[in-house]
Amino acid sequence: GENVEQHPSTLSVQEGDSAVIKCTYSDSASNYFPWYKQELGKRPQLIIDIRSNVGEKKDQRIAVTLNKTAKHFSLHITETQPEDSAVYFCAASTGTGGFKTIFGAGTRLFVKA
Amino acid sequence: EAQVTQNPRYLITVTGKKLTVTCSQNMNHEYMSWYRQDPGLGLRQIYYSMNVEVTDKGDVPEGYKVSRKEKRNFPLILESPSPNQTSLYFCASSGTSEDEQYFGPGTRLTVT
Repeated sequence: GENVEQHPSTLSVQEGDSAVIKCTYSDSASNYFPWYKQELGKRPQLIIDIRSNVGEKKDQRIAVTLNKTAKHFSLHITETQPEDSAVYFCAASTGTGGFKTIFGAGTRLFVKA
Repeated sequence: EAQVTQNPRYLITVTGKKLTVTCSQNMNHEYMSWYRQDPGLGLRQIYYSMNVEVTDKGDVPEGYKVSRKEKRNFPLILESPSPNQTSLYFCASSGTSEDEQYFGPGTRLTVT
């Protein structure tokens, strides 16, 4: 079946450094790519998303890039802060004719002060 | 306040005893989904609904049923729960297929 691979599974950075998380998807019909942050014991919350007709999107310290040819998208967090520590999930969604959403397995990010 | 609610938040039950987890949203969203979250596996979609009376299977539908009789409600039904359905369950809703999904607080289910 369709899947989304996410790497790395764990990432540890020093406060102020950048963090990059990468995802690869298999369903070429995917057209919506959100990123969710989940803090311990809480529900996932959207931090940024990108649609298939856009190559890059930025929101303050967070940016996402999409390469549809390679079926690859990445999350970039700059100037990391301790409160960025959480689990991050990428997802690929196919909206045409359905609403299938496949999530990556998650990346646990530790930001050391 | 815009929100997605789930009940119960915690449930311990025994194998074979039918149960229902309710989900309700007050944002008039057409799209709703159920996910289960297991360590190391991320969130896996169980079922989704694109509108009233329109539902379809996600990635892991076996052992689950859903219904969408009203726009705001999307209950998850386990007719005969088994221990491998022990998990954290999230309901989510969104306005379109290319919009943010708003998640409920989660339901932690244990089947013994």
